[in-house]
Parts: sequence; structure tokens; C-alpha cells
Amino acid sequence: ETGVTQTPRHLVMGMTNKKSLKCEQHLGHNAMYWYKQSAKKPLELMFVYSLEERVENNSVPSRFSPECPNSSHLFLHLHTLQPEDSALYLCASRVIWQGTEAFFGQGTRLTVV
Amino acid sequence: TQLLEQSPQFLSIQEGENLTVYCNSSSVFSSLQWYRQEPGEGPVLLVTVVTGGEVKKLKRLTFQFGDARKDSSLHITAAQPGDTGLYLCAGDTGNQFYFGTGTSLTVIP
Repeated sequence: ETGVTQTPRHLVMGMTNKKSLKCEQHLGHNAMYWYKQSAKKPLELMFVYSLEERVENNSVPSRFSPECPNSSHLFLHLHTLQPEDSALYLCASRVIWQGTEAFFGQGTRLTVV
Repeated sequence: TQLLEQSPQFLSIQEGENLTVYCNSSSVFSSLQWYRQEPGEGPVLLVTVVTGGEVKKLKRLTFQFGDARKDSSLHITAAQPGDTGLYLCAGDTGNQFYFGTGTSLTVIP
């Protein structure tokens, strides 16, 4: 148990569906991250919320939309996904400072059919 | 952009053997971290190195940060089946973490 909770753990959705992934931490961290982990590919940084400011990876398609309503919660809204979006989506949080550890949730295994 | 390259990508060794994993970049990082990830779980921190040339030991694991803070290595002595997993280095630029390409290690009993 790392203190970072992701829900759901598993999600199967059709290409026309809309769903949201949730991440929650009560560790007092001031930065939260979404990563995508595909088979045989490196962990890909998708979005960062740092001190309530969003830093966006320009290569992330607009069908992924993050939301950070407060420092403890992070969402990833999904709509009209493609089968190649199937992956493990990991949320992490940390304190913005040199050398501080990132705590990861267990991830959401997403399958797009 | 992939800032951190790890080698080897896959490694399968017998129990008791030694191994080294490398993490290389052309970028300078304020710190570098090593994580291990097991199937179905998120990565878990093993160590953080901050100072160029720093060496840290964690039981049978030895971590080294390059003098220029661009690269790092992880050496495992007398590997055990429990060491099996995905090893990830991560470079810290302050706000963001960039993970390496990963090394999948399998230790065969």
C-alpha cells in the first residue's frame, strides 16, 4: 500500500464509450502524474499537475483529458479511444523537490475493444 | 522524447550470478532514482542518488551515479529469484520524472 489509490483496477470499454480513471492521494503531495505503460514500451509521461499547474505532453491525443480538482485528486477522462490505447495507466504523486520519491498507484488496466 | 536509455532491455540469468544494468542519457539530472516493478503493480522506489559519483548499497544491490549526473548503473551480486522484475531508472528535472526504457530481469532458480 503506497498511499496512492487508483480506481478502477480494470476497465474494458468500447471505442464509443466515455469513462474516467481516478487517482487519489492523501500524502500531502503537491504534484500528480499520469503515465501510460504499454507492453514492450517505456513508461510514457502523459500529464503532470505541479503546484496546481498543468504541464502537458503535446503528443497526448485529445481523447485523453486530465482533470485535477484539488491537490489530492486526479482524473483522466477518456472518450472515443482506439484499441492501441489499451495499456496500464499509472498515477503517481510526489513532493516537488529534488530527489523526492514518487509513489505509484497500482494502475488501471485498460482494454479498448 | 526518450531521455533515458537502459541496457540490456531483457536479461535472464541463473541464480547466484552477478549482473549490471545501465541507464544512460545525454541530459543532466538533479537526481536519479531506481524503481522495481512487479507484474500488476506500480513501480516501487529502490534508491535515490543525488551527487555525481555517488555510490549507494542496498544489501546485494549497488547503485552508482555518474560523475556528470547523466548516467547510472545498478549492480546485483548473487542474484536471487526474488530479484525478478522490471527495473526502471528515472531522471528528475524538478517538476517531471522521465523514466528509462526498462530492464526486465528474470532470475532462474
